[in-house]
Amino acid sequence: DAGVIQSPRHEVTEMGQEVTLRCKPISGHDYLFWYRQTMMRGLELLIYFNNNVPIDDSGMPEDRFSAKMPNASFSTLKIQPSEPRDSAVYFCASSEGARKVFHEQYFGPGTRLTVT
Amino acid sequence: GESVGLHLPTLSVQEGDNSIINCAYSNSASDYFIWYKQESGKGPQFIIDIRSNMDKRQGQRVTVLLNKTVKHLSLQIAATQPGDSAVYFCAENGGSQGNLIFGKGTKLSVKP
Repeated sequence: DAGVIQSPRHEVTEMGQEVTLRCKPISGHDYLFWYRQTMMRGLELLIYFNNNVPIDDSGMPEDRFSAKMPNASFSTLKIQPSEPRDSAVYFCASSEGARKVFHEQYFGPGTRLTVT
Repeated sequence: GESVGLHLPTLSVQEGDNSIINCAYSNSASDYFIWYKQESGKGPQFIIDIRSNMDKRQGQRVTVLLNKTVKHLSLQIAATQPGDSAVYFCAENGGSQGNLIFGKGTKLSVKP
């Protein structure tokens, strides 16, 4: 298995531009998570999906952030418009969900976003 | 004023020594716990997990201990190697089946 795949690995953009981060979870996993990691705040959960349905988006910072999961093998995290304070590493993770009562999350390599 | 970054606790050990990384969790409802290792430039990687009906679980060179009375979790690494240098996170499920709550992390530095 290729593991969780994220693209792009690095993104540099100017303030005000739209940014789209992409994630392909591990095949067969029912849960998908988006995290943000910064030196200031550590690892923060932004939103997670179960069977493509958003379950908890309370960690999404503001309306500029949106996430979708149109099917079981793809999710996007969009920031529009982007701001310098959005600069961080964004991780996607997936887990097996219903197949196991307790389930570890498998993380992708992350997307390092820099907003200038 | 200038922003202050997240101050990670740091543990520095000599190669070959045993390491113990501690974590205090917050939610009494948590019944599943995980340790993750994050190397520089990579995503967190699963190391070992433990359920609340256990107080000890062993893996390859790693042992996790759970003390529910004081809500404390520890990760023991035997014969620490330079490749063990990383930030280690504990995570708890808060009683849920889906989500995990991550701690702030501890940086382990292994001296050759």
